[in-house]
Amino acid sequence: QKEVEQNSGPLSVPEGAIASLNCTYSDRGSQSFFWYRQYSGKSPELIMSIYSNGDKEDGRFTAQLNKASQYVSLLIRDSQPSDSATYLCAAPTNAGNNRKLIWGLGTSLAVNP
Amino acid sequence: NAGVTQTPKFRILKIGQSMTLQCTQDMNHNYMYWYRQDPGMGLKLIYYSVGAGITDKGEVPNGYNVSRSTTEDFPLRLELAAPSQTSVYFCASSYPQWSGVGSGKNIQYFGAGTRLSVL
Repeated sequence: QKEVEQNSGPLSVPEGAIASLNCTYSDRGSQSFFWYRQYSGKSPELIMSIYSNGDKEDGRFTAQLNKASQYVSLLIRDSQPSDSATYLCAAPTNAGNNRKLIWGLGTSLAVNP
Repeated sequence: NAGVTQTPKFRILKIGQSMTLQCTQDMNHNYMYWYRQDPGMGLKLIYYSVGAGITDKGEVPNGYNVSRSTTEDFPLRLELAAPSQTSVYFCASSYPQWSGVGSGKNIQYFGAGTRLSVL
């Protein structure tokens, strides 16, 4: 059974701090990874996608991928109260097909003013 | 572009009733998905479709049916509603990996969701 695992949290950080969210996956063949943000009562929205080893930066968000360790992370710099949400990690189920995504259960982040 | 549109936003059903959740997308995506999300839980795939006329079961298909007669529409049918089907339902769509869309491959775009209560 291919899996994506995340710490459920809640992760609590003060405003302005760096929030670090982690995700591990079981399928060594996975080639792409996604971080989604879900506000309470809303639908998931894409924050970052990453396809290659290393770091990918977009504004205050940095995704880090280490395929050898099967580990992907999301760093949020200068955290704001508006970043308080659940963050979902996802990876395709089949490296050759990618018809479906496997979803982690999400990490709840609270940014305290 | 409207993206992925789901209707209705809210619905209350009585046990044993049936209904159809509507989903339409205007992005010309081949792949479409139906998920349910229970409170505090992750997304569970109900059904998905890789193109018009092609559907397949996900993790939790029992009690649901789908059809895909056009690229744009992917309705989800609940027959004989049960309290266990109380949930939030999300429809999503994406380009397939082979589409050559570059970094947009596999990204799923979600509708706003339908909150369903079965009483």
